[in-house]
Amino acid sequence: EAQVTQNPRYLITVTGKKLTVTCSQNMNHEYMSWYRQDPGLGLRQIYYSMNVEVTDKGDVPEGYKVSRKEKRNFPLILESPSPNQTSLYFCASSYGGETQYFGPGTRLLVL
Amino acid sequence: RKEVEQDPGPFNVPEGATVAFNCTYSNSASQSFFWYRQDCRKEPKLLMSVYSSGNEDGRFTAQLNRASQYISLLIRDSKLSDSATYLCVVNSARNFNKFYFGSGTKLNVKP
Repeated sequence: EAQVTQNPRYLITVTGKKLTVTCSQNMNHEYMSWYRQDPGLGLRQIYYSMNVEVTDKGDVPEGYKVSRKEKRNFPLILESPSPNQTSLYFCASSYGGETQYFGPGTRLLVL
Repeated sequence: RKEVEQDPGPFNVPEGATVAFNCTYSNSASQSFFWYRQDCRKEPKLLMSVYSSGNEDGRFTAQLNRASQYISLLIRDSKLSDSATYLCVVNSARNFNKFYFGSGTKLNVKP
């Protein structure tokens, strides 16, 4: 089954404790992207990747890092999480910049 | 000014009604336009891409008006299952790999 998976689905952590949210797709898509969704603000793009070792900033990259060492994986790293990073995070993938397939989301609470 | 703006609603309509949503975008050079559907606490899923000539998929019709910089979504014969939030998505004019999401329009279809 074609899908995008994210782990963990739910995470409660404390300020400053490094965390990684994994994202994996099995559709051989070149393009992958991370978004955060906050009430009233919609989805905002954090980082995206056009292919292995090619990443670029979206609209809200501050406080986040990404890497793309393999085509199927695109982890999101929060080196020192802060409460303003409490949000719902989605990973997405596509061929080029067309239809994006989203993962199920990760709910993060930073205390 | 936001890149993409939508009326948040909610639009409360009876079953069988026809309902239309509009979405405005700020940059006239944007090239790709989409409508996504998002159910509560779930991931967004593509509803339709929007083409210059307009396109129709069953009860759903999408239109693009480049002169006025808006896209529209028309839903005919609304079903209870159409209740969801509808997200307008536009790509960046400067970087086609960056995407801007509207904050969504909520639709409630009532029996």
